[in-house]
Amino acid sequence: GQSLEQPSEVTAVEGAIVQINCTYQTSGFYGLSWYQQHDGGAPTFLSYNALDGLEETGRFSSFLSRSDSYGYLLLQELQMKDSASYFCTSPGFQKLVFGTGTRLLVSP
Amino acid sequence: SQTIHQWPATLVQPVGSPLSLECTVEGTSNPNLYWYRQAAGRGLQLLFYSVGIGQISSEVPQNLSASRPQDRQFILSSKKLLLSDSGFYLCAWSSGTGQEKLFFGSGTQLSVL
Repeated sequence: GQSLEQPSEVTAVEGAIVQINCTYQTSGFYGLSWYQQHDGGAPTFLSYNALDGLEETGRFSSFLSRSDSYGYLLLQELQMKDSASYFCTSPGFQKLVFGTGTRLLVSP
Repeated sequence: SQTIHQWPATLVQPVGSPLSLECTVEGTSNPNLYWYRQAAGRGLQLLFYSVGIGQISSEVPQNLSASRPQDRQFILSSKKLLLSDSGFYLCAWSSGTGQEKLFFGSGTQLSVL
């Protein structure tokens, strides 16, 4: 089976940097993906780590450590529009299982 | 480019009534297709996934069923809705070669009263 755990909520202020952690337990691991979901909207893909290390995409970066069964999403120069829920996911055989999700609240 | 269409956007149905939600994908062939459900403020629960026409895998026992009559069409159904079927339903697709990136439809907010 697969389980992915994230903090339920994180708060930060505009312009700051925030890290959202994800720890996982899977029977077969193919990498870690991250999605963003605004209230009432559909999740949108942010990044994918197949290998250990850091992947950078603009203000967002994602990190994976297979030996620690751990990853994180790093958001820099936070903006109000970054207030959303963030999910880590792990591709499994023929399906994708989502973590519990982290609600990020960005304040002025 | 690939697009995914899901409808309707909102639906209010009485308990015991039937349900049919449809999802279609354009611009790709032989996609993996998924139905997820999300309760308010919660994570996404995988309901069904399909790797090909007529091939449906169910993740949880429930009051719902899914069908894939065509390569790029995925339908979620129920014969008799329950109150507990209320939620935000999302259809998604991924490339047949990998599940690291899913593309979601805009979702259907279902309220069973």
